[in-house]
Amino acid sequence: QVQLVQSGAEVKKPGASVKVSCKASGYTFTSYGISWVRQAPGQGLEWMGWISAYNGNTNYAQKLQGRVTMTTDTSTSTAYMELRSLRSDDTAVYYCARWIQDYMDVWGKGTTVTVSS
Amino acid sequence: SYELTQPPSVSVSPGQTARITCSGDALPKQYAYWYQQKPGQAPVLVIYKDSERPSGIPERFSGSSSGTTVTLTISGVQAEDEADYYCQSADSSGTWVVFGGGTKLTVL
Repeated sequence: QVQLVQSGAEVKKPGASVKVSCKASGYTFTSYGISWVRQAPGQGLEWMGWISAYNGNTNYAQKLQGRVTMTTDTSTSTAYMELRSLRSDDTAVYYCARWIQDYMDVWGKGTTVTVSS
Repeated sequence: SYELTQPPSVSVSPGQTARITCSGDALPKQYAYWYQQKPGQAPVLVIYKDSERPSGIPERFSGSSSGTTVTLTISGVQAEDEADYYCQSADSSGTWVVFGGGTKLTVL
């Protein structure tokens, strides 16, 4: 079955960077994209961007451009999301999801990132 | 920036019909998608392309579209349907993905 397994929780200091991984299985990795969505505590879902696993094309949310980088490693069917210059309001659960042109059909369980001094 | 508007909360009794709306100017041009999220869990896709239901989603979940509003309908609501529901779409250019603010469905 299609599965996305994310890396474990992270605690970072303000100004640091975090890199979250998302390992896909159960489907042809390069036939789909991966989207990243985050959810701050008690808040709604916020789309961060997507990456095509076929050609590496990306589309980042305007709010995060310059601080976020999404990459893939097709040899291991793994996607990565790096967020730099972390601030306290980046504290959130970060989800990866399989991206099908316009939407997300299968989601990972989420990775908690806490930014605190 | 483009926004999708949902009511913060909807309440229904078991067995009744729940309707959750989502409004946005680009919805006549862009498909809408609906996700269910239970506490402490990842979202689950329940409706795609306005009205299509993924395999494994109960038939009581349906979607519809009319002008600038899309609606998620849950017929014969069950206690297990209590969750947050989010609509998702894109701006008129199709470039920027947006989520609605979410609707908390309470089953009385």
